[in-house]
Amino acid sequence: KQEVTQIPAALSVPEGENLVLNCSFTDSAIYNLQWFRQDPGKGLTSLLLIQSSQREQTSGRLNASLDKSSGRSTLYIAASQPGDSATYLCAPYFNDYKLSFGAGTTVTVRA
Amino acid sequence: GAVVSQHPSWVICKSGTSVKIECRSLDFQATTMFWYRQFPKQSLMLMATSNEGSKATYEQGVEKDKFLINHASLTLSTLTVTSAHPEDSSFYICSVHLGGLNTEAFFGQGTRLTVV
Repeated sequence: KQEVTQIPAALSVPEGENLVLNCSFTDSAIYNLQWFRQDPGKGLTSLLLIQSSQREQTSGRLNASLDKSSGRSTLYIAASQPGDSATYLCAPYFNDYKLSFGAGTTVTVRA
Repeated sequence: GAVVSQHPSWVICKSGTSVKIECRSLDFQATTMFWYRQFPKQSLMLMATSNEGSKATYEQGVEKDKFLINHASLTLSTLTVTSAHPEDSSFYICSVHLGGLNTEAFFGQGTRLTVV
């Protein structure tokens, strides 16, 4: 059974600080890895998809890295804003198309 | 990205009744859709893979007779929770992969089911 761990479980920072969210997985034989954002009581919003041949992906203030050999991915959010407050989920693709989710990191950005 | 719509967004039902949740891919024809369940403060768990025109594939531990999945068209999959019990209360959410199974996944807004 693939295990996905996200550290820290919760994070509170003042506005403007950079955020570093960590994800680790037990099986390095993943295909792709996707990062999502989930607001309370809502569905998931796709943030970034890192394909298996890539080491990182960037979108605006977001940058995600992937190191398959060590089983790690990191999501960086630059210059955080109160609107970034949400739960961030990491989901590697194991067994081709199946996503396995971590429990998430809940981020609070204080104005 | 793909637009995925779920209906209803929330539902309250009595124990013993059945509830149907719809998942629609609005701008993309999906031969495969996925159903997940999320308990409070926990991660999403894949329940089943819905296949258009054929039987769904259920994950280990998920009762196929309790969670009926029908994928009648390329844009609609339904999940019916039969004989619902309070322990079935959860957040149910569906997804599609935009360009094939190993590509970016897009999720619906989810359905909050409360069984009383």
